[in-house]
Amino acid sequence: DSGVTQTPKHLITATGQRVTLRCSPRSGDLSVYWYQQSLDQGLQFLIQYYNGEERAKGNILERFSAQQFPDLHSELNLSSLELGDSALYFCASSVEAVAYNEQFFGPGTRLTVL
Amino acid sequence: GENVEQHPSTLSVQEGDSAVIKCTYSDSASNYFPWYKQELGKGPQLIIDIRSNVGEKKDQRIAVTLNKTAKHFSLHITETQPEDSAVYFCAGYNTDKLIFGTGTRLQVFP
Repeated sequence: DSGVTQTPKHLITATGQRVTLRCSPRSGDLSVYWYQQSLDQGLQFLIQYYNGEERAKGNILERFSAQQFPDLHSELNLSSLELGDSALYFCASSVEAVAYNEQFFGPGTRLTVL
Repeated sequence: GENVEQHPSTLSVQEGDSAVIKCTYSDSASNYFPWYKQELGKGPQLIIDIRSNVGEKKDQRIAVTLNKTAKHFSLHITETQPEDSAVYFCAGYNTDKLIFGTGTRLQVFP
């Protein structure tokens, strides 16, 4: 158990809908990272927050947004969902602001868009 | 930007044999190279990492080597065991983010 929690574990929804994925980092970690894992593209970095502020951005679609709250939990919002958004979404956390330290991954949320 | 290529995509070995997974990166400014292991139904977990100021690092049966000139790094697992079966990801750090390879599915047969 990494200490990172993600909810829900599974999510099934329809195209065009909006969903919110939630992540609670390990106690004491200030950084939260979001990754998308699809079968054909491996792990793709989406976005990082550090202590409430956006720190780094990957190839995150404009339909996706995230935020980190004062209690350090984070939410990833996915809107106007398409079939291609079906994937595993992982949250990871770390103590430092920089990504060149160990990241602790949660168990993931499996999103299925029908 | 950085691009990390990983080979092979699948690897099958007999228990007790060695396994080697190789990655290449494109940006010479990359300076941190972790390896993550992902077991079925779980999130990735760091197993070893190396920074650009060293050429090799070992941790029991696992070792990583880095060749900065050739821009490639490799994961070596010796005396493989069935519990080593998993998907392994290499990554390179560049401009505030980790870029992951596409993964290697390792199967260790008893």
